[in-house]
Amino acid sequence: QITLKESGPTLVKPTQTLTLTCTFSGFSFSTSGVGVAWIRQPPGEALEWLALIYWNDNKRYSPSLKSRLTITKDTAKNHVVLTMTNMDPVDTATYFCARLVSVAGVVVFAYWGQGTLVTVSS
Amino acid sequence: QSVLTQPPSVSAAPGQNVTISCSGSSSDIGSNYVSWYQQLPGTAPRLVIYGDYKRPSGIPDRFSGSKSGTSATLAITGLQTGDEADYYCGTWDTSLSAQFGGGTKVTVL
Repeated sequence: QITLKESGPTLVKPTQTLTLTCTFSGFSFSTSGVGVAWIRQPPGEALEWLALIYWNDNKRYSPSLKSRLTITKDTAKNHVVLTMTNMDPVDTATYFCARLVSVAGVVVFAYWGQGTLVTVSS
Repeated sequence: QSVLTQPPSVSAAPGQNVTISCSGSSSDIGSNYVSWYQQLPGTAPRLVIYGDYKRPSGIPDRFSGSKSGTSATLAITGLQTGDEADYYCGTWDTSLSAQFGGGTKVTVL
């Protein structure tokens, strides 16, 4: 059974750095093709993709947020960590991690964590 | 502002059919497969369509997808109260960034 769970602070102050951890089970970065992504959703708004990382350490970032994001993985701990610098109230959102799955050349967000709400406020 | 355009809402009575459109460009939908995600209130999104029209196991055949050029469509037939949710289309663009639509709220009257 594949599960993912996000963890991190629920409240951060403006200008601070946010660090979120995605802890997963049921799959491993030791397996070729495995990828994990971060997606966020401001209250009442749409999904926004942030970053992804693959088993071979290939990383991609949203162009609009690239300068503020860093994604890393810990294969032994089954963790993916996302850091976002210079947080602003507009970054208030539920942050999801998701496992990427490739099916016949189609890459999709097949499994999702429950999400964690991060509020940015002084 | 989402790259992919969806109508904000659609509604129908139980048993009726609804369609949700997703409009993009040659750089995204026109170049890559489309997926659709269902997000029930207060939950994480769930994949309901991938590869333009394929259904993951466990998704009823009341859900179907199609694509033509730079637009895609999700159809739900025989609408049920449990289908009331937000639906998002998604794809990849030519720079390999994931893109989502603005979401469509389906209301069962």
